[in-house]
Amino acid sequence: NAGVTQTPKFRILKIGQSMTLQCAQDMNHNYMYWYRQDPGMGLKLIYYSVGAGITDKGEVPNGYNVSRSTTEDFPLRLELAAPSQTSVYFCASSYLSGANYGYTFGSGTRLTVV
Amino acid sequence: AQTVTQSQPEMSVQEAETVTLSCTYDTSESDYYLFWYKQPPSRQMILVIRQEAYKQQNATENRFSVNFQKAAKSFSLKISDSQLGDAAMYFCAYRSGDAGNMLTFGGGTRLMVKP
Repeated sequence: NAGVTQTPKFRILKIGQSMTLQCAQDMNHNYMYWYRQDPGMGLKLIYYSVGAGITDKGEVPNGYNVSRSTTEDFPLRLELAAPSQTSVYFCASSYLSGANYGYTFGSGTRLTVV
Repeated sequence: AQTVTQSQPEMSVQEAETVTLSCTYDTSESDYYLFWYKQPPSRQMILVIRQEAYKQQNATENRFSVNFQKAAKSFSLKISDSQLGDAAMYFCAYRSGDAGNMLTFGGGTRLMVKP
């Protein structure tokens, strides 16, 4: 009954470093999403996936990459971290045809790039 | 593309009173869904209430209710008998009925509850 699990919860990166934010869900949801939330702002979509092997860009994809090799996992990769990527990152999932349902969100990863 | 606008960056309410948070959206679609999410200081995103666009009846969940005006593209959240635990950021969100089903969020309203 874990829902959506994100790791790590906090991370400090130096400019130019790379890292992967992990996201896993155990609800057999087809759809998964990555959002970022800048301080005092709403959430913006980075990437999403409608099923294993299928990914697509959202509103703010630059500087990020994703993969979806299994239904359960949807990692987000940051290459060459920049201060503009300082944000809180949320992973979420939902049913294939459950548009009337909201998402199940992870608890977020707070990333600081210095 | 759809847009969601929350025109009130901050609101405050006295404990036990009623407060209404505003949300407007822009879309050309007829099939869509609307949501209100609560984000307390813990950062967790909590679904408060949902509304299907095809339903005329306003959704209600205990002390939370919405005023859905489809023609005006307005979706406000009313919180009755406000409690200290209601203090949080509140986000209005739009979800298309099309494939992908991405949520588009408003910028949020910070609600403060005064004892």
